[in-house]
Amino acid sequence: DAKTTQPPSMDCAEGRAANLPCNHSTISGNEYVYWYRQIHSQGPQYIIHGLKNNETNEMASLIITEDRKSSTLILPHATLRDTAVYYCIAAAVEGGKLIFGQGTELSVKP
Amino acid sequence: GAVVSQHPSWVICKSGTSVKIECRSLDFQATTMFWYRQFPKQSLMLMATSNEGSKATYEQGVEKDKFLINHASLTLSTLTVTSAHPEDSSFYICSARSEGTYEQYFGPGTRLTVT
Repeated sequence: DAKTTQPPSMDCAEGRAANLPCNHSTISGNEYVYWYRQIHSQGPQYIIHGLKNNETNEMASLIITEDRKSSTLILPHATLRDTAVYYCIAAAVEGGKLIFGQGTELSVKP
Repeated sequence: GAVVSQHPSWVICKSGTSVKIECRSLDFQATTMFWYRQFPKQSLMLMATSNEGSKATYEQGVEKDKFLINHASLTLSTLTVTSAHPEDSSFYICSARSEGTYEQYFGPGTRLTVT
């Protein structure tokens, strides 16, 4: 599985968009980009995933660069409840193993 | 959305005893389940992958005789920590996914404390 690199921490003002970057320069053609988040002392929560097209759902948008070497997760209007550790993972659908890196600790401040 | 439960949510046991943790998919059939552990202020570490009716596949460095995994049905997997020691104290999290889908759904975790 491709290794991903994320900034260790970010701050965001409540109500503003939170843009979380992820580098996955060694991603393989059959690997998807997954985003999960973990609120303190809870199990991770699925956010979104994509292969090469940009994706949007009720939680977030995922922008993947054309060369697929990086991506950005966008929370359009961050709230205090979005404070969590966000994990970007590159993984093949076959096998389904998710290897978690250190993630980005997002703090949403009032 | 898909729901995964774990039981118990926390457990305290004495050193040398065994502890069983259950992971259930409540509203879908989980062909594959995964077990992770997480130490304080660290990321999740994958321990093993289990497919229903098959033996679990353990990650390198995880003792299969110490962490017994059973995936006997499409809705239940169990992790038994045998002869637990204080260093086994951790947050254990399971996840599940059904065949042909992309998402994994995680349980709320079980906090194990070995005294």
